[in-house]
Amino acid sequence: DGGITQSPKYLFRKEGQNVTLSCEQNLNHDAMYWYRQDPGQGLRLIYYSQIVNDFQKGDIAEGYSVSREKKESFPLTVTSAQKNPTAFYLCASTTQSSNQPQHFGDGTRLSIL
Amino acid sequence: AQSVTQLDSQVPVFEEAPVELRCNYSSSVSVYLFWYVQYPNQGLQLLLKYLSGSTLVKGINGFEAEFNKSQTSFHLRKPSVHISDTAEYFCAVKDNFNKFYFGSGTKLNVKP
Repeated sequence: DGGITQSPKYLFRKEGQNVTLSCEQNLNHDAMYWYRQDPGQGLRLIYYSQIVNDFQKGDIAEGYSVSREKKESFPLTVTSAQKNPTAFYLCASTTQSSNQPQHFGDGTRLSIL
Repeated sequence: AQSVTQLDSQVPVFEEAPVELRCNYSSSVSVYLFWYVQYPNQGLQLLLKYLSGSTLVKGINGFEAEFNKSQTSFHLRKPSVHISDTAEYFCAVKDNFNKFYFGSGTKLNVKP
């Protein structure tokens, strides 16, 4: 079955450490997104990519970086510059057709050690 | 940019009672509207979508939503809820540039 796979499900970061969250999709979707979810704040857009080798900053990109070298993959790196990284991170994808919804992965929960 | 408002952060309801979760969005230009459900520690699952046509949209698990263009609303309803409907529900709008805007979520708590 097609879908989006996020790994790992749980991740712990030490002070000053960069960590990378994986997102892979086999839906043949062009567009991919990363969201951060904090309690009571809904989903906030970190980065998105409409096509391979191109991506745009979302509303809260500071302290994060991404790459889009392959259509199937959109990894997110949480850098040491992100001072409050504890959150639930969700990856999503969709087609370029304007009337299609996003499909979501099961998320990665990142915590500080 | 769009904005999406979910007026109720939490909605308690007894089992088998009807429920309405409210959603308003900011723009009257053509948009696409969605409702998602999220269970604890999981991603979002699509409940239903409004693209065009009939203003009453039926989704999975007995949910439906009504699109009201003049009031820029897209409220979610279910005539009789179950314990298993306890979850967080998100309203979302998609613009013509493939960007999505989410409300802050409504936690539905179904009590026995």
